[in-house]
Amino acid sequence: QKEVEQNSGPLSVPEGAIASLNCTYSDRGSQSFFWYRQYSGKSPELIMSIYSNGDKEDGRFTAQLNKASQYVSLLIRDSQPSDSATYLCAVNAPGGTSYGKLTFGQGTILTVHP
Amino acid sequence: DAGITQSPRHKVTETGTPVTLRCHQTENHRYMYWYRQDPGHGLRLIHYSYGVKDTDKGEVSDGYSVSRSKTEDFLLTLESATSSQTSVYFCAITKGAGGASEQYFGPGTRLTVT
Repeated sequence: QKEVEQNSGPLSVPEGAIASLNCTYSDRGSQSFFWYRQYSGKSPELIMSIYSNGDKEDGRFTAQLNKASQYVSLLIRDSQPSDSATYLCAVNAPGGTSYGKLTFGQGTILTVHP
Repeated sequence: DAGITQSPRHKVTETGTPVTLRCHQTENHRYMYWYRQDPGHGLRLIHYSYGVKDTDKGEVSDGYSVSRSKTEDFLLTLESATSSQTSVYFCAITKGAGGASEQYFGPGTRLTVT
């Protein structure tokens, strides 16, 4: 079983729609959760971090965390073609909190079409 | 911009040759990481450092070694490159003094082993 799993995608949504990206993790001790965006040929860029159950909003992005269900999601409202990228979910690695180690999902490719 | 540079940005080398990749940061962060990224595998941690001369292995450390003789530089060495080490390599840092997990990535090095 993979430690961090993302919906396989690719995900295609029309411009202006809500894109929903999902991630599950296996270690109940995980405490920190992150979403990265990666454009083709570029490095991952941190877009959201979430540490507590519930929702966290930043502009058009909302991260949702449910520790009981071991589930974290990212919603992108009013999706734009510029949001087309691979989205990576990352979770602090088991036993690694003091060193900041992360485990990444395999990524979900999002395409927003005009 | 996390002040991270990587060199070289691209390299082609032959099987069996040694290769060293450099990660340089300008902001004196304590924690640094080396990842590789391959299709279908996402980002995988190779080695990490929690201070000068303090390093440890990640999940895919076989065939790699690292050194950190000063805060700003973290070197990744492939002692004898193999074709399976063809990949994109990313360096990352965390900005928190206690190893807080928000990681920021360098631009990457594309390595091809022929």
